[in-house]
Amino acid sequence: EIVMTQSPATLSLSPGERATLSCRASQSVGSNLAWYQQKPGQAPRLLIYAASTRAIGIPARFSGSGSGTEFTLTISSLQSEDFAVYYCQQYNNWPPMYAFGQGTKLEIK
Amino acid sequence: EVQLVESGGALVQGGGSLRLACTASGLTVRTNYMSWVRQAPGKGLEWVSIIHGGGETFYADSVKGRFSISRDNSKNTLYLQMNSLSAEDTAVYYCARTGTGFDIWGQGTMVTVSS
Repeated sequence: EIVMTQSPATLSLSPGERATLSCRASQSVGSNLAWYQQKPGQAPRLLIYAASTRAIGIPARFSGSGSGTEFTLTISSLQSEDFAVYYCQQYNNWPPMYAFGQGTKLEIK
Repeated sequence: EVQLVESGGALVQGGGSLRLACTASGLTVRTNYMSWVRQAPGKGLEWVSIIHGGGETFYADSVKGRFSISRDNSKNTLYLQMNSLSAEDTAVYYCARTGTGFDIWGQGTMVTVSS
């Protein structure tokens, strides 16, 4: 079983600042890594897949990097609408394995 | 517009059963990998089950033997049959199209299991 660990649990920043969120896998997942944003009362939204590819409609200020066991989501200049909870997820379609990290809450400082 | 709409969530007693539905528009359930993902109150996301385009089904260990995923191609609808429910199954249940990540999600349906 692959375990995904995100850090920090909470990140307090101001609008305009740069946010760096980390995700670590307990074993290599290659580039099979996705990032999601979730706001209160809403379903998650896919931001990044294949570790670094932005999903359709995702602004360029969101970027993903990494491979193997260490991954990063960077938000270059925080907008007010970016304050939310972010999850990483490893996916493996065969055999099916879809493990999420525990989430990082990005809050306004 | 592509849309997934879940239904069927309810308050149910421990040991009981419930069937959730996810009706799709703008995409064909039969030709996509479709998953159920759940989120307990105040907690993170947990993948529950997937059905492949060819009909193969897979489950998380936490629900194996109790939950069953299926689809009705004529209704373009995904289902999750949940049996032997316990308080630990209390969550919002989402359906999601599955590929390189989960790219399309429904709005979720709440299942509450009373002990």
